[in-house]
Amino acid sequence: NAGVTQTPKFQVLKTGQSMTLQCAQDMNHEYMSWYRQDPGMGLRLIHYSVGAGITDQGEVPNGYNVSRSTTEDFPLRLLSAAPSQTSVYFCASSIPTGPNTEAFFGQGTRLTVV
Amino acid sequence: AQKITQTQPGMFVQEKEAVTLDCTYDTSDQSYGLFWYKQPSSGEMIFLIYQGSYDEQNATEGRYSLNFQKARKSANLVISASQLGDSAMYFCAMRDTIKDDALNFGKGTSLLVTP
Repeated sequence: NAGVTQTPKFQVLKTGQSMTLQCAQDMNHEYMSWYRQDPGMGLRLIHYSVGAGITDQGEVPNGYNVSRSTTEDFPLRLLSAAPSQTSVYFCASSIPTGPNTEAFFGQGTRLTVV
Repeated sequence: AQKITQTQPGMFVQEKEAVTLDCTYDTSDQSYGLFWYKQPSSGEMIFLIYQGSYDEQNATEGRYSLNFQKARKSANLVISASQLGDSAMYFCAMRDTIKDDALNFGKGTSLLVTP
């Protein structure tokens, strides 16, 4: 069972470079989301999607773009990386059937912007 | 807006002892769900336990139990018979019904289990 797969696991970028963090799930989950984790901050929501073609902003969306062309994939794009985007990024998916639905997380991507 | 508060940045417990990790929350919703996740040093997020606001019984999953006190808006995680492998970060989270089921996380508690 693959679950939620994130690539790459590690990435170093130079300031101003662009890149896409990939996220794919094979559980046919409608709901997918991206979080960033910074020391002492817990996980904060960047963007989320309730289904193909539908995305919305979370708590910290600035500097990030997303799209959802298929149920399986939810890539996160950094258009012009900044040192403040150095963080660990998690993708998650779930079935939005109510408050008791567990979210499944990917392994995380550790991004460093120099 | 919902808010999750974990007031213990770090906790120590001796192996085989029980430990309680605190979580308080603030919400105006009548129906909500509370989760606990474990994050070991390897970094992955592991789901531990869930409590629904209308659940009459406190949730239990093996050595994990949730001390849910709705009137006090607290959902503390109790780990019984601690093991060295329980050393990790622990996050309390709540579903955000406004943001279509996104999770709001607390800042986490770092637990160290000592021999």
